[in-house]
Amino acid sequence: QITLKESGPTLVKPTQTLTLTCTFSGFSLSTSGVAVGWIRQPPGKALEWLTFIYWNDDKRYSPSLNSRLTIAKDTSKNQVVLTMTNMDPVDTATYYCARRLKTATIYNGFDYWGQGTLVTVSS
Amino acid sequence: DIVMTQSPLSLSVTPGEPASISCRSSQRLLHSNGNTYLDWYLQKPGQSPQLLIYLRSNRASGVPDRFSGSGSGTDFTLKISRVEAEDVGVYYCMQGLQSPLTFGGGTKVEIK
Repeated sequence: QITLKESGPTLVKPTQTLTLTCTFSGFSLSTSGVAVGWIRQPPGKALEWLTFIYWNDDKRYSPSLNSRLTIAKDTSKNQVVLTMTNMDPVDTATYYCARRLKTATIYNGFDYWGQGTLVTVSS
Repeated sequence: DIVMTQSPLSLSVTPGEPASISCRSSQRLLHSNGNTYLDWYLQKPGQSPQLLIYLRSNRASGVPDRFSGSGSGTDFTLKISRVEAEDVGVYYCMQGLQSPLTFGGGTKVEIK
């Protein structure tokens, strides 16, 4: 059974750094083609992709947030950590982590999602 | 960036009737490997998004066959052959061809 769960602070102050952890089970981030990504959703708005990290440590970031985002994995702990600096009230959103599978011959989209964690940015 | 545009914004459907959602991409989503990297997701009220369709027309595991995806080039469609009450929520298309991955703005489906 594949599960993912996000954890981290629910409230951060403007200019602070947000650190979220995605803890997963049922798959390995050392398996070829596997990636874990972060997607966020401001209240009442659409989904926005932020970043993902692949099994081989290949990383991609949203250009609009690139300078503020860092993603890292700890394969031994089955965790992926997202860091977002200089938080602003507009960053208030539910943050989801999700698994992605993509190789030259296999693609499953974001097939498993965490429950999401609401992060509010306010002083 | 590839821009994804969905229509309509919302849809009210009688149970048992069909429904159709359109998604248009600003660039073709066909990869040189022959795959078209277009996904559909459903976010039911209060829940996380769930994968419905990947690679334009492949139903994800456990997705009922009343859901189908089609299209080519830059124009794609999600069809529900007979809408059921459990199908309410917001539907999103997403291109997985290149980073940054981008989602459509969503289509809200409700039951009449």
